[in-house]
Amino acid sequence: AQTVTQSQPEMSVQEAETVTLSCTYDTSENNYYLFWYKQPPSRQMILVIRQEAYKQQNATENRFSVNFQKAAKSFSLKISDSQLGDTAMYFCAFMGSRAAGNKLTFGGGTRVLVKP
Amino acid sequence: GAVVSQHPSWVICKSGTSVKIECRSLDFQATTMFWYRQFPKQSLMLMATSNEGSKATYEQGVEKDKFLINHASLTLSTLTVTSAHPEDSSFYICSARLAGRLVGETQYFGPGTRLLVL
Repeated sequence: AQTVTQSQPEMSVQEAETVTLSCTYDTSENNYYLFWYKQPPSRQMILVIRQEAYKQQNATENRFSVNFQKAAKSFSLKISDSQLGDTAMYFCAFMGSRAAGNKLTFGGGTRVLVKP
Repeated sequence: GAVVSQHPSWVICKSGTSVKIECRSLDFQATTMFWYRQFPKQSLMLMATSNEGSKATYEQGVEKDKFLINHASLTLSTLTVTSAHPEDSSFYICSARLAGRLVGETQYFGPGTRLLVL
């Protein structure tokens, strides 16, 4: 079974600065997908960024970018120019093959607090 | 696009009653929907995979007779918590995967339903 580990339960960052969230995972599959989801206080899960394992290029979405290291099974998220609205729980998630049911496995989450 | 709704957003019920939660994909068809449970300050735990026109697949440890799932159309899945007890109080979230897309298409999440059983 796949496991996803987020080693930082909580992080704080000053507004406009950069913060990096770590995520490691364990799998025997070669083709898979990785995601970062954001859960603000409203508890609505919002997709932040998506990475396909067969793509070597790191995904980027505006102020959000990832550092995907397939060999190390690491998938960190960098939030640049942090904004107050970035305050939320961030979950790293792994999705395996169709044979595994395309199920998402989530990490334990990292709470990010952006301070003014 | 890719909006998922849930109803109700908030429900309080007495112990022993049943509660139905609906999950709808509003602007796309979803052959597969997923039901999660989230306890306070914890991550999402997958309960079951709901497949249109067939039986749901439950994760280990989830009682299928307790949590009834029906996926009657490409846009609607329902979760019924039968004979609810206080320990069933939780935040229930559904997600939907776009139909007809390649393996690994993104799941889109509903806003969640907060259940409180008294």
